[in-house]
Amino acid sequence: EDKVVQSPLSLVVHEGDTVTLNCSYEVTNFRSLLWYKQEKKAPTFLFMLTSSGIEKKSGRLSSILDKKELFSILNITATQTGDSAVYLCAVRGGSQGNLIFGKGTKLSVKP
Amino acid sequence: NAGVTQTPKFQVLKTGQSMTLQCAQDMNHNSMYWYRQDPGMGLRLIYYSASEGTTDKGEVPNGYNVSRLNKREFSLRLESAAPSQTSVYFCASRVEGYEQYFGPGTRLTVT
Repeated sequence: EDKVVQSPLSLVVHEGDTVTLNCSYEVTNFRSLLWYKQEKKAPTFLFMLTSSGIEKKSGRLSSILDKKELFSILNITATQTGDSAVYLCAVRGGSQGNLIFGKGTKLSVKP
Repeated sequence: NAGVTQTPKFQVLKTGQSMTLQCAQDMNHNSMYWYRQDPGMGLRLIYYSASEGTTDKGEVPNGYNVSRLNKREFSLRLESAAPSQTSVYFCASRVEGYEQYFGPGTRLTVT
């Protein structure tokens, strides 16, 4: 059975801290891995990582994909209260080629 | 562009009632999706449509039907609502090879 596992499920940090969110997967026919941010509404896209793009960076956020070990990490440096959200990891693959989501990591950043 | 729009935003139904959730996108995307999101369960795929005129079951299709009315619109119907269908429903769309864009969601309560 295809699955995506995120850890930790929740995390509380203080502003300025650096956090690392983890995503491991066992998905057949892997095509890509995506990270989304969800703040009480629709998920918004952060990164997509594929075999041809295993490292992405945007401002204080960065992500890497390790296709050999089947995991990805999302790093957030110098966290701000606005980073508080649920971060979703999803892998496109499986028999239908659709996104398979993890349960998310809830990040709370305290002032 | 409005992106992905969904109606209604909120709905309360009694057990056994029926309703249709509407979704439209103005990005000329071929693929459209319906998800439900429950606490602690992540996003689960109900149905998807890879192109106009086709629909396929996802992970949790029981109790739902869909219609891909045209390239823009993809509706989700609950014929006889049950309390287990209380959830937040998200519609999404994408172009092959790119990320999925999500609508704002419909919060449905079945009493």
